[in-house]
This record gives sequence, structure tokens and C-alpha cells, in this order.
Amino acid sequence: EVQLVESGGGLVQPGRSLRLSCTASGFTFGDYTMSWVRQAPGKGLEWVGFIRSTPYGGTTEYAASVKGRFTISRDDSKSVAYLLVNSLKTEDTAVYFCTRQYSSALYYFDYWGQGTLVTVSS
Amino acid sequence: DIVLTQSPGTLSLSPGERATLSCRASQSVGSSYLAWYQHKRGQAPRLLIFGASSRATGIPDRFSGSGSGTDFTLTISRLEPEDFAVYYCQQYGSSPTFGQGTKVEIK
Repeated sequence: EVQLVESGGGLVQPGRSLRLSCTASGFTFGDYTMSWVRQAPGKGLEWVGFIRSTPYGGTTEYAASVKGRFTISRDDSKSVAYLLVNSLKTEDTAVYFCTRQYSSALYYFDYWGQGTLVTVSS
Repeated sequence: DIVLTQSPGTLSLSPGERATLSCRASQSVGSSYLAWYQHKRGQAPRLLIFGASSRATGIPDRFSGSGSGTDFTLTISRLEPEDFAVYYCQQYGSSPTFGQGTKVEIK
């Protein structure tokens, strides 16, 4: 059974950094592109970015709204994907979902975690 | 970015009724790269449809997707109690974007 479990969320002050983790199981993690999607309170879903599988170079792509502040990485030996968020803003308050992307070329998400809440507030 | 507009915002129906959800794109979605997801509060979203009309693994056949270009539809033929949720469309023909969601609530 495919499982994605996010962790690392919490209350953080504006301007600080936070690293979220996504621990995967039930599939060969290294074969898949992994994405992050967020949902601000009362809002819809927003794609944040993805990291391609290592065979496809492990390269990353980001939404324009977060480019330069967000960094996605992966550790295939641990089956974990990470989302590092720098210079946090109040508008980054959201539930952050880890997703498995169907393929490196087709950007839809066949499995999702339950999400981890990040609250940015002083 | 392609903007997706879902309608209606809320659909109030009874179990057993048919639900028709619309997703309109601001420009043509290439190769019908359109997906639908179901999301219940506190749970992981679930992929229902990809490629505009292909059901994902394990999705009941009461869920069907149709459309092309800029107009897409998700139909739930007969609502079951577990189908009351929020539904999102997503295009992946370019940088992925989602619609704002349609809530299907019990009437």
C-alpha cells in the first residue's frame, strides 16, 4: 500500500525557515517524481513544485509564486522528500501535501499524504 | 498560467441523485491533460480521473469524466453517502494549476 506521511509543520515566525519531510512507503521511491501542493485556509489547492526522480536527473521545478524561497530535495536511500521553506511569510500559512506524481512528464498526482499544517505568525 | 474555473461553487443534492460538476479553462488544455480529485476534510485528496476521462485505479464507475479543449465535466451518476466532499479539477498541460473546488453537500 502506497503511503506518504508528512511531518515538520508547526507554528513559525515570519522570516524564519522550516523544513518539511515526506516519508514514503509501499513503492520504489527512487523511480518517482515527487511534488508538494499546499492549501491555504479556506482556499483551493496550489502546486508548489516537484523534484524529478534520480534517473531523470533529480531536477526541480517550482511555481512562480515560490521560486527562490522554496527548495525541494530528496534522499532516495531513506525514501524521503523534503521541502525547505525560507523567509516564511504569513501567506505561506497552509496545509502542505506531499504527492507522488504519476510520471516525470505527466504532472498529475496519483497519491497524496494527509498534509502537515504550517502556521506563520508572530 | 491556465486558470481553471469550477462551477457551481456548491452543489446540494440527495443520495442517489446525479451530480454534474463543471471545470472551464482560460485556454485550451493540451492533450486533455485534465484530472479530477476528491477531497474530504482531514484526509488525503484522492485522484479520481486523469486524461479527462480515464478512471484511476479503484475508482467506482459511477464517476466519469468528459470534455476537451476548455470545457470539462465530472459526473457522479448516483451519489453515495461517501461521495459528499469537495472536488477539484487540475490541468497538467502546462505548469499545474487547480480549480477552486466544488463542494458537493447533502441536501
